[in-house]
Amino acid sequence: AQTVTQSQPEMSVQEAETVTLSCTYDTSESDYYLFWYKQPPSRQMILVIRQEAYKQQNATENRFSVNFQKAAKSFSLKISDSQLGDAAMYFCAYSNNNDMRFGAGTRLTVKP
Amino acid sequence: DGGITQSPKYLFRKEGQNVTLSCEQNLNHDAMYWYRQDPGQGLRLIYYSQIVNDFQKGDIAEGYSVSREKKESFPLTVTSAQKNPTAFYLCASSAIDGGPYNEQFFGPGTRLTVL
Repeated sequence: AQTVTQSQPEMSVQEAETVTLSCTYDTSESDYYLFWYKQPPSRQMILVIRQEAYKQQNATENRFSVNFQKAAKSFSLKISDSQLGDAAMYFCAYSNNNDMRFGAGTRLTVKP
Repeated sequence: DGGITQSPKYLFRKEGQNVTLSCEQNLNHDAMYWYRQDPGQGLRLIYYSQIVNDFQKGDIAEGYSVSREKKESFPLTVTSAQKNPTAFYLCASSAIDGGPYNEQFFGPGTRLTVL
């Protein structure tokens, strides 16, 4: 079974600085998608970014980018120019055939 | 506005009672999902459905039941057999016509507390 591991239960970053959240996963599949979701205090899950496994180019969405290392099964999220509104739980997720698996999450605190 | 609605936002239940959580979507998605979220844990899949009148058990289906009579609706019943039902429940939906890798859209969630 596929598993997703987020080894950092909590992270903090100074406003305007950069932070990287780690995620590793285990799979025997060659084609799949990876996602980062954000869950603010409202608890609404919001998609931040996604990566297709067959694409070598790392996905980027404004201040959010990923470092996808397929051989290492690693999928980290980099947040640049951190803002107070970035404070939230961040979940890494793996999806194959609509079976989505989530990591335990990383709580990000942004210090003003 | 297209989206997913869940009701109620907060729900209280006495031990021994069944309770049903509502989930409705107007995104025309074929697939719908129910997840449970406990403090300090990620989302765990309870049930999912990819077509009307068909659904599959997820990792933690014991003590739960679902139905999918309409494409738009996927209610979850938490039965008295569920040993520890107090949790936050999230409903999601996704398209499947674009292949197996579509984004899941989430509702706002229901917080269930057993008294």
